[in-house]
Amino acid sequence: QKEVEQDPGPLSVPEGAIVSLNCTYSNSAFQYFMWYRQYSRKGPELLMYTYSSGNKEDGRFTAQVDKSSKYISLFIRDSQPSDSATYLCAMIKGGYQKVTFGTGTKLQVIP
Amino acid sequence: EAGVAQSPRYKIIEKRQSVAFWCNPISGHATLYWYQQILGQGPKLLIQFQNNGVVDDSQLPKDRFSAERLKGVDSTLKIQPAKLEDSAVYLCASSLSGQGGIGNTEAFFGQGTRLTVV
Repeated sequence: QKEVEQDPGPLSVPEGAIVSLNCTYSNSAFQYFMWYRQYSRKGPELLMYTYSSGNKEDGRFTAQVDKSSKYISLFIRDSQPSDSATYLCAMIKGGYQKVTFGTGTKLQVIP
Repeated sequence: EAGVAQSPRYKIIEKRQSVAFWCNPISGHATLYWYQQILGQGPKLLIQFQNNGVVDDSQLPKDRFSAERLKGVDSTLKIQPAKLEDSAVYLCASSLSGQGGIGNTEAFFGQGTRLTVV
């Protein structure tokens, strides 16, 4: 079993839709939870991070963590064509902060 | 602020040949990472340096892959000999340090080197 599981998609939605992206994890040692966005032929860039259960909002993006269920989500409101990218969940354990990535979900927002 | 620089951007080699990738991290960043990203998968950590020391190389295929970070700045990743399954994007990333909160551990990625082994 992989430590981090993520539905690879692809996910195709119309512009303005609410998008929900999800990951599950198996190791309770993970402390920080992140979402990276990766445009085609680019390196990943950090979108949001959180370290506690609950919601964190940043503009149209909301990151949600449920440590009891080992489940994290990223919600995108009013999705735009510019949101079309691959979204990677990532998690860090303690110590020297090794980052474990999910497989990524490819999102396409249709104008 | 300059980002993480990688070269070359693309490389095509035949199997059993050798190849080397170069990375220049963000100035002042102590931690440097090499990731392998196979098409359709998330990045997989190959090796993590803290300054010029290795912190984690548990997923580095040491029979064919090697990496060094001389003087704790630039780094090179080498594959010798290459196999078909090494075809992937090799991403270099750096962070301020390897510990502490997200301000220290946020990894900034380069654009990657796309390797094709034929």
